[in-house]
Amino acid sequence: DAMVIQNPRYQVTQFGKPVTLSCSQTLNHNVMYWYQQKSSQAPKLLFHYYDKDFNNEADTPDNFQSRRPNTSFCFLDIRSPGLGDAAMYLCATSRDLDRERYFGPGTRLTVL
Amino acid sequence: AQSVTQPDIHITVSEGASLELRCNYSYGATPYLFWYVQSPGQGLQLLLKYFSGDTLVQGIKGFEAEFKRSQSSFNLRKPSVHWSDAAEYFCAVGILTGGGNKLTFGTGTQLKVEL
Repeated sequence: DAMVIQNPRYQVTQFGKPVTLSCSQTLNHNVMYWYQQKSSQAPKLLFHYYDKDFNNEADTPDNFQSRRPNTSFCFLDIRSPGLGDAAMYLCATSRDLDRERYFGPGTRLTVL
Repeated sequence: AQSVTQPDIHITVSEGASLELRCNYSYGATPYLFWYVQSPGQGLQLLLKYFSGDTLVQGIKGFEAEFKRSQSSFNLRKPSVHWSDAAEYFCAVGILTGGGNKLTFGTGTQLKVEL
């Protein structure tokens, strides 16, 4: 089945230690997104790639970066995680900007 | 800017009972409309979507939603709830902007199903 895969499902890091979260897709979609979701809240868009074009949300902290080396993979890098960055991180894809988004299962990040 | 309101934070229904989850949006034109479901510790699964055409939309797992332009609403319904439907439900509104696209989520409705 075509799908969105996120690894790892659970990630524990230390305060200030860089961490990378991974997302891959077999849907061959043009757009890939990263969302942050804190407990009992709606997902919040951090940024998205349309093909190789990167689009950052205005309120996304500089601490968050992303890479998309090819169509299938997209990475979220948190350069210096703080306690406030503990959250579920959701990757999503869509065929185009105006199409529905398909979400991966998420990575739960814990910052000690 | 568009906004999405899900007025019910928590809803409890008995298994077998009917369900309606409310969603209202604020936007000048007709947006794209979605309902997603999220089980604990999982990602969001698309239940159904509305882009245009028939205002009654059928989705997966027996869910349907009706777009009512006059009320700016997109309520989700299911005639008979199953215990496995217990989850959080998010309504989302999408619009295209000059700088890309914007998907705004409601704050979610937590559904509890009593056996």
